[in-house]
Amino acid sequence: AQSVTQLDSQVPVFEEAPVELRCNYSSSVSVYLFWYVQYPNQGLQLLLKYLSGSTLVKGINGFEAEFNKSQTSFHLRKPSVHISDTAEYFCAVTQRDSGGYQKVTFGIGTKLQVIP
Amino acid sequence: SQTIHQWPATLVQPVGSPLSLECTVEGTSNPNLYWYRQAAGRGLQLLFYSVGIGQISSEVPQNLSASRPQDRQFILSSKKLLLSDSGFYLCAWSITPYEQYFGPGTRLTVT
Repeated sequence: AQSVTQLDSQVPVFEEAPVELRCNYSSSVSVYLFWYVQYPNQGLQLLLKYLSGSTLVKGINGFEAEFNKSQTSFHLRKPSVHISDTAEYFCAVTQRDSGGYQKVTFGIGTKLQVIP
Repeated sequence: SQTIHQWPATLVQPVGSPLSLECTVEGTSNPNLYWYRQAAGRGLQLLFYSVGIGQISSEVPQNLSASRPQDRQFILSSKKLLLSDSGFYLCAWSITPYEQYFGPGTRLTVT
């Protein structure tokens, strides 16, 4: 069974400072990895995804994440945060398989609070 | 382009009353459909998923049920709500094993 661990439930950071949100996963097979963002009282929006190829993935709003297979991690980073980045961020994983339905497992989320 | 709708946006219901939340998807065919519940501090909990009309899989045994009467319609129901059913309910769809696309959600408060 696959699982996702987001080590920090809340991360406060000053505006224009860099941020890293941590995500570790466990799975017995190869996986696809995702980061979603949720603004208050809204649904989730895909931020970026890793399917294959380059381990450094760039997403929307200046975010990027790096897939590290040996450490089973997929940490999210941004070099300089804005007030508008205040939101909750979810890491997710699904198994890489040929066709068919695959269940996505989400982490419990990390609340990023950008301080002016 | 594809869009996903959920209604109502907010709902306040007394304990013991029935529930019906609706989700519809436009612009795609035969999507996988999902119902999640999001409670404070607990992340997303997958409740039901469906790979086709009439095909429902339940992830968590509880007093909720789901139905898919049409290809792009997914309904979450309950005969009698509990206080613990309060939360933010999200519907999502996917076509590939890749990302899911989420609706705007329904905030349910059971009083």
